[in-house]
Amino acid sequence: QVTLRESGPALVKSTETLTLTCSFSGFSLTTSGACVSWIRQPPGKALEWLAVIDWDDGKFYTTSLKTRLTISKDTAKNQVVLTMTDMDPVDTATYYCARIRDGYSFGPFDSWGQGTLVTVSS
Amino acid sequence: DIQMTQSPSALSASVGDRVTITCRAGQSIDTWLAWYQQKPGRAPKLLIFDASSLESGVPSRFTGSGSGTEFTLSINSLQPEDFATYYCQQYKSYSRSFGQGTTVEIK
Repeated sequence: QVTLRESGPALVKSTETLTLTCSFSGFSLTTSGACVSWIRQPPGKALEWLAVIDWDDGKFYTTSLKTRLTISKDTAKNQVVLTMTDMDPVDTATYYCARIRDGYSFGPFDSWGQGTLVTVSS
Repeated sequence: DIQMTQSPSALSASVGDRVTITCRAGQSIDTWLAWYQQKPGRAPKLLIFDASSLESGVPSRFTGSGSGTEFTLSINSLQPEDFATYYCQQYKSYSRSFGQGTTVEIK
């Protein structure tokens, strides 16, 4: 059974750096084809894809936030970490990690964490 | 980045109705499209992938169709548990993108 769980601070201040951890089980990021993404959702708004990391340490970021995001993995701990610099109140959102379906390079997301709400104070 | 546009943004329907949601891509994405259902306070749930393949465990009243730039999600005989927000998502390119969502409300 695949499970993912996000963890990190519930509240950060403007200009600070956010660090979120996705802890997962039921699959390994050392398996060829495995990928984990981060997606966020501001309150009452749509989903926004942020970043992905694959088994081969390939990393891709959404164009609009590329300069602020870093994704990394710790395969021994079964964790994926996302850092976002220079946080702003508009970054207030629920942040999800999700697994990309086996056998696909780019999508879809077949397993999701429950999400973690991050509020940015000014 | 590939823009995804859903219509309508919201609709009202009754239990037993058939509803259809449309998703348009800014460029051809072949059939690299997924549909998700999201209920308040919950993570999205994968319903359909590859435009028309039903995810395991999802009721057969959900059907997806389309290719290229135009796609539809249909729900036959709407059930009380189907009232939710639905999102399309393309995975043609590494820069995945979602539609803005369609909320299905009780009439």
